[in-house]
Amino acid sequence: DQQVKQNSPSLSVQEGRISILNCDYTNSMFDYFLWYKKYPAEGPTFLISISSIKDKNEDGRFTVFLNKSAKHLSLHIVPSQPGDSAVYFCAASDHNNAGNMLTFGGGTRLMVKP
Amino acid sequence: DADVTQTPRNRITKTGKRIMLECSQTKGHDRMYWYRQDPGLGLRLIYYSFDVKDINKGEISDGYSVSRQAQAKFSLSLESAIPNQTALYFCATKQPNTGELFFGEGSRLTVL
Repeated sequence: DQQVKQNSPSLSVQEGRISILNCDYTNSMFDYFLWYKKYPAEGPTFLISISSIKDKNEDGRFTVFLNKSAKHLSLHIVPSQPGDSAVYFCAASDHNNAGNMLTFGGGTRLMVKP
Repeated sequence: DADVTQTPRNRITKTGKRIMLECSQTKGHDRMYWYRQDPGLGLRLIYYSFDVKDINKGEISDGYSVSRQAQAKFSLSLESAIPNQTALYFCATKQPNTGELFFGEGSRLTVL
């Protein structure tokens, strides 16, 4: 059973508009969440993170929102640019877990059309 | 030069063959990880190591083994490859005190 789910395998957005990528989790012990971006033929790279003590974290065009009661987080990209086209992975960890490992979602492929 | 380097980048092999994927890092991190990526399943943890003497199984360790030869080197072995091990494999290191992982560029393995 996947503890972190990204229910939309793909998303297509026009350049300049907002992209919203969603992620749901089931483990209430998760207390730290991250988004990674992956281009073809490259490894994933860290994009933005949020601790469970916050409900929003912003970094330039990227904002992550966390709704703990709903066990849901989302990544907003505004304005979207063609260079944002990539696969986005949501990940979560539990700092109380000795391994403190990341559990990843299945990814969402974002396509930003010029 | 990449901080996390994986070799080979691509490999095609046959069922039953032994395969080793190698990973080296220049970030000086103690913690290293091996993940595999399959379509729709994201990245799943195979093995991880907190230091040279500490090796741990991840979510999907069956059919795999690892060796931490030094702080900078962590290799993944498939003793007898099978077709469902066809995947993209990533090595990663972890930034101390944060959840951030630094990934290599990946090794694409095809088992025929």
